Amino acid sequence: DAGVIQSPRHEVTEMGQEVTLRCKPISGHDYLFWYRQTMMRGLELLIYFNNNVPIDDSGMPEDRFSAKMPNASFSTLKIQPSEPRDSAVYFCASSESGTGGTNEKLFFGSGTQLSVL
Amino acid sequence: SQKIEQNSEALNIQEGKTATLTCNYTNYSPAYLQWYRQDPGRGPVFLLLIRENEKEKRKERLKVTFDTTLKQSLFHITASQPADSATYLCALYNFNKFYFGSGTKLNVKP
Repeated sequence: DAGVIQSPRHEVTEMGQEVTLRCKPISGHDYLFWYRQTMMRGLELLIYFNNNVPIDDSGMPEDRFSAKMPNASFSTLKIQPSEPRDSAVYFCASSESGTGGTNEKLFFGSGTQLSVL
Repeated sequence: SQKIEQNSEALNIQEGKTATLTCNYTNYSPAYLQWYRQDPGRGPVFLLLIRENEKEKRKERLKVTFDTTLKQSLFHITASQPADSATYLCALYNFNKFYFGSGTKLNVKP
């Protein structure tokens, strides 16, 4: 398996523009997570899905952020309109339910470096 | 509030020595704790998992301890090598969510 695939690797945009980040999880994984990483705040969980259904979006900072998972092999994170403070590395990760229904470990993509000017 | 604390200062050690990294947490009761390695420009990579009823876990040159009374985990790399230089993150698992510390950067000098 190729692992978790994210695109684009880098995105530079201007304030006010719409940004869409994409993620393909590992086949067979039933959990998908979106994280944001900054120097100041580290890795923050934004939202996670189980079997394509959003379970907890309490980490989504504002209504400008939205995420979808239309099928088991694709998810998007959209920011509209984007602002300079959204600049960060956005990671997608997937995992598989383990024994007793718990997840054992996360597999991360290489991330999308977002710069909003 | 919930906190996961890792030493924000880089740890510099000489090749061959044992590196010890600390993860402290408050206001969590994690089912288990994990350690990840992150290299520049890459996503974190899973290394080890230790459950709340386990005191110690080993994998090759890596050792993790977990003290739920102290709310602390220690991560050891024995016989460290320059290739071990990276940022190491601890993560707590609670109700299907993984909460990460900010990581400690390890520099192993030849």
